[in-house]
Amino acid sequence: NAGVTQTPKFRILKIGQSMTLQCTQDMNHNYMYWYRQDPGMGLKLIYYSVGAGITDKGEVPNGYNVSRSTTEDFPLRLELAAPSQTSVYFCASTHAGGAGQYFGPGTRLTVL
Amino acid sequence: RKEVEQDPGPFNVPEGATVAFNCTYSNSASQSFFWYRQDCRKEPKLLMSVYSSGNEDGRFTAQLNRASQYISLLIRDSKLSDSATYLCVVDMDSNYQLIWGAGTKLIIKP
Repeated sequence: NAGVTQTPKFRILKIGQSMTLQCTQDMNHNYMYWYRQDPGMGLKLIYYSVGAGITDKGEVPNGYNVSRSTTEDFPLRLELAAPSQTSVYFCASTHAGGAGQYFGPGTRLTVL
Repeated sequence: RKEVEQDPGPFNVPEGATVAFNCTYSNSASQSFFWYRQDCRKEPKLLMSVYSSGNEDGRFTAQLNRASQYISLLIRDSKLSDSATYLCVVDMDSNYQLIWGAGTKLIIKP
């Protein structure tokens, strides 16, 4: 039981490049989330999903896209990377909307 | 006003001491409350949920005060391994989204 896994662990992008951050969970959780964490700040919700085929915007969705074709996978797509997207990105999952969430190890992204 | 506020610290505490910190939240309709810990450059990990009647898990006690809209975390007999940032988390009334505090940094000294 690996829990929540994320790839890559680190990435440096140039301005204008695109990439996909991968997230997979093996706990059969319906709810999945993408957050970003900037230094000294609380986590900000980018997108979330309550089940396969259903996604919705969080607090800071601009510049990102998601899809949820399976229960296990919830990839986050960055289009036209900007320096403001330099952050640590965490994926999380849970079995119910009001329950505690379980996190992957994060992806550290730098946009130069 | 921030939706979830925490004292950023750091709290410097000697090993074996008791330490407590609070977190205030702005949404009176919130129903779910959590404490997470986050080690440096690691992911947040669920420490405990916070229930209306208060709850305890070993050396950790969490309490909720709905009237004053704050939650608290008490750590007794602190260990060096308790050094971390403690994140206060509160749900929005939609119940799908959580609002995260910026965290309180705790340093336990030998």
